[in-house]
Amino acid sequence: DIQLTQSPSFLSASVGDRVTITCRASQGISSYLAWYQQKPGKAPKLLIYAASTLQSGVPSRFSGSGSGTEFTLTISSLQPEDFATYYCQQLNSYPRTFGPGTKVDIK
Amino acid sequence: EVQLVESGGGLVKPGGSLRLSCAASGFTFSSYSMNWVRQAPGKGLEWVSSISSSSSYIYYADSVKGRFTISRDNAKNSLYLQMNSLRAEDTAVYYCARGSMVRGVGYFDLWGRGTLVTVSS
Repeated sequence: DIQLTQSPSFLSASVGDRVTITCRASQGISSYLAWYQQKPGKAPKLLIYAASTLQSGVPSRFSGSGSGTEFTLTISSLQPEDFATYYCQQLNSYPRTFGPGTKVDIK
Repeated sequence: EVQLVESGGGLVKPGGSLRLSCAASGFTFSSYSMNWVRQAPGKGLEWVSSISSSSSYIYYADSVKGRFTISRDNAKNSLYLQMNSLRAEDTAVYYCARGSMVRGVGYFDLWGRGTLVTVSS
């Protein structure tokens, strides 16, 4: 099974900050990676798929990059509505594993 | 409106059974693979099971294999998860999620609000 790790697991930031979250896969997954945002009590929301493709309707301050085993999600200027937990997911093979999540909190 | 609505959650004793449903609307259900993802209280997301559009391909997480059965009825625009031999560790919010694919790359682009399953005596 492919394992995903995320760093950091917790991030404290201020509005306007540039934020970067890293997701690493235990083996190469090409670009078969998606990023999701989840707010408390809500369902996850797709942000990025195919490692770098922005889902329709998602603000352009979100971007994704990487391939193989290392991927990043970047928020160029953190907004109040971006405080949430972010998960990566690999769709290269089954099981469709998720990373453990990165919680972005207000500094 | 394009949406997924889960139902069927509740309180069940260890060893018991429960059947979850997910009603799809606003899109051509039969054209999409579907998935179940769960989230234990205060924990992260865990993929549970996937089924292809025509039910030809089915996959399970090792943690539920042999106990859970995924199925779908394209005529009723519905997805199901039959859960047997439930354990305390199955306690979670269960989400159904639509699977989409572009240029061979998949992703889960539509999620329901989830239904809570609590396994406790």
